[in-house]
Amino acid sequence: DADVTQTPRNRITKTGKRIMLECSQTKGHDRMYWYRQDPGLGLRLIYYSFDVKDINKGEISDGYSVSRQAQAKFSLSLESAIPNQTALYFCATSDPTGGQSDTQYFGPGTRLTVL
Amino acid sequence: LAKTTQPISMDSYEGQEVNITCSHNNIATNDYITWYQQFPSQGPRFIIQGYKTKVTNEVASLFIPADRKSSTLSLPRVSLSDTAVYYCLVGDLASYKLIFGSGTRLLVRP
Repeated sequence: DADVTQTPRNRITKTGKRIMLECSQTKGHDRMYWYRQDPGLGLRLIYYSFDVKDINKGEISDGYSVSRQAQAKFSLSLESAIPNQTALYFCATSDPTGGQSDTQYFGPGTRLTVL
Repeated sequence: LAKTTQPISMDSYEGQEVNITCSHNNIATNDYITWYQQFPSQGPRFIIQGYKTKVTNEVASLFIPADRKSSTLSLPRVSLSDTAVYYCLVGDLASYKLIFGSGTRLLVRP
């Protein structure tokens, strides 16, 4: 979805390096999420944020941190990258208003390789 | 959150109707059923959502029996571009914690 952008799209780094993945959205949604996907598997939630002042851990937050700089921006950091963090990372947004379900809109993903 | 079970993979041919069934025996009263589609190296995309009976949109239909312990995503007259992984998710309206299983990998052949 072009309304949710992620940078970089691909990144190769070395063990121990600090890496930041960025997500921006123009949908005006309050909720933002970070997921990782490993080959052949479904997505797993890392962190989520319901507004600028709200940050919550997902099911696999160890080794990651996030920053919600503004409603439109949500960054994911790997403080000291390790090889098993090699994965495809997705950012998503949602806006559960008007009784509608919390449909999530995903970005194009960032492919991260840690050597 | 109710666990879901789907077939790992399915094969079809262009022009056929494809039905993918998802089991969710422990679905709760407030839970809705949602399907997402994911193409290789792209993020999942919302397809359809329902609570009971039948829901239809421009892309698919969703059939949910009265006991709601399963649901079937129906894709009419599939094309090669429908080759993707399809995920069935169950959760309430404010369920922000989407639980993605391994999904069903659909391959549409010419």
